[in-house]
Amino acid sequence: GESVGLHLPTLSVQEGDNSIINCAYSNSASDYFIWYKQESGKGPQFIIDIRSNMDKRQGQRVTVLLNKTVKHLSLQIAATQPGDSAVYFCAENLQGAQKLVFGQGTRLTINP
Amino acid sequence: KAGVTQTPRYLIKTRGQQVTLSCSPISGHRSVSWYQQTPGQGLQFLFEYFSETQRNKGNFPGRFSGRQFSNSRSEMNVSTLELGDSALYLCASSSLGAGGSTDTQYFGPGTRLTVL
Repeated sequence: GESVGLHLPTLSVQEGDNSIINCAYSNSASDYFIWYKQESGKGPQFIIDIRSNMDKRQGQRVTVLLNKTVKHLSLQIAATQPGDSAVYFCAENLQGAQKLVFGQGTRLTINP
Repeated sequence: KAGVTQTPRYLIKTRGQQVTLSCSPISGHRSVSWYQQTPGQGLQFLFEYFSETQRNKGNFPGRFSGRQFSNSRSEMNVSTLELGDSALYLCASSSLGAGGSTDTQYFGPGTRLTVL
C-alpha cells in the first residue's frame, strides 16, 4: 500500500487466531486515540477510538486498551480473517487541537 | 451518506510546477484536515480548516497552503514542486464543533502526486 516502507513492523498470524497490535504514543496531553486500518490503494479507515478517561473499549471483534501510565495503546482483533490483512495505524490527538499524530504503522498478514 | 471524496486521484507534475488538490467532506462535516503520507515519513499533518479558517498547522514550508470554502469543501496547493513532494495526500473530515473537543476524522482515498 501507500504506507510506511522498509522499517514497517510486521505481524503474521494464523487465520482464526487473535491479533494484538501495540503502539506507544508520545504526548501526555493527548486525550483522544484512534486506530485506523489502511488497505492497499485506499485511505485510512476508522476502526475504533478511545478517549483518555477510559482504559478499554470494545467494538465488533476489536478491543482497544489504553494505558496512560506508560503511554501505550493496543488493538486486539479477535478471530482474525483474511480481510483483516492491512497496515494498522494508531493516532493520538492533542487535547483541543484537531491534529492527529500517527504511529509508524504495523503490517498485519494473515496466514491461511 | 457519501464519504470524503478527493480529486484528482492521480497526478503527475514536474519540478517547479504548482498543483491544486480538492477535497469534499462528508455532508455536515465542517472540519477538514490534510495529511501527507510518504514511505519515509509516514502520515504527517499538514493543516486543518474549520469555517473557512485555518486553525491548526503542521511543520511544512510555506509552499504548502490551503483554503476552505463556505460549503466546507477544501483545496490544498503546493507551489514550486520538488521531487520530495511526491506522496499520497489525504484529506479527512470530522463533525467537530467550535468548542474545541476532538472528534473522529474520516479519510478520503487520497490523491497520489508524482513529481518528476
